[in-house]
Amino acid sequence: QSVLTQPPSASGTPGQRVTISCSGSSSNFGSNTVNWYQLLPGTAPRLLIYSNNQRPSGVPDRFSGSKSGTSASLAISGLQSEDEADYYCAAWDDSLNASWVFGGGTKLTVL
Amino acid sequence: EVQLVESGGGLAQPGRSLRLSCAASGFTFDEHAMHWVRQAPGKGLEWVSGISWNSDNTGYADSVKGRFTISRDNAKNSLHLQMTSLRAEDTALYFCVKDTCSGWSGDCYPAMFDYWGQGTLVTVSS
Repeated sequence: QSVLTQPPSASGTPGQRVTISCSGSSSNFGSNTVNWYQLLPGTAPRLLIYSNNQRPSGVPDRFSGSKSGTSASLAISGLQSEDEADYYCAAWDDSLNASWVFGGGTKLTVL
Repeated sequence: EVQLVESGGGLAQPGRSLRLSCAASGFTFDEHAMHWVRQAPGKGLEWVSGISWNSDNTGYADSVKGRFTISRDNAKNSLHLQMTSLRAEDTALYFCVKDTCSGWSGDCYPAMFDYWGQGTLVTVSS
């Protein structure tokens, strides 16, 4: 069971806006920022969002992130077929066994 | 261009050992912490281990503590993971990951895993 909680699946049609949630706790989201990663089969995972809402260069502005309290979300607007992938949230966790933690991942299907 | 190329994966019997390696290029290797992250078949990502830029500090997931050892050779721009007492549940794709910080514990801003390799597959089975 993952420390961060994500829905296992999400879906949308081309052009639609979809959001993926990520729920944490005070030991991770309370004082640390959230990063999001995209995993496509056969390719190296890609950093999509860092520090809650920042996009690395090269990531389209269709991708956006937000965080409030112990919850975070990734939004994808103008959904495209190539967005079909697995998405993971991650954060540093300050608990007794301090470590990096990930969400369980959300499989996004473009219908 | 940042490149991280893993090697050393393969089939190992339970209880045996494997050593993974990662060749890094395209950035100043000795300024950054590095990590290993794995993904078991059909499962999500799991952080395995991290090491600071100068090897002074390391961290491990509880699931591998005492069995895996992370190390690096800054002269050769390489990262390693020595895996011993392997178990079936260690079967996974292992990714080599670059950190934006010099320490492995998120101790800079912004802290993130900004580049990943494509992974090397480890299968533990008799």
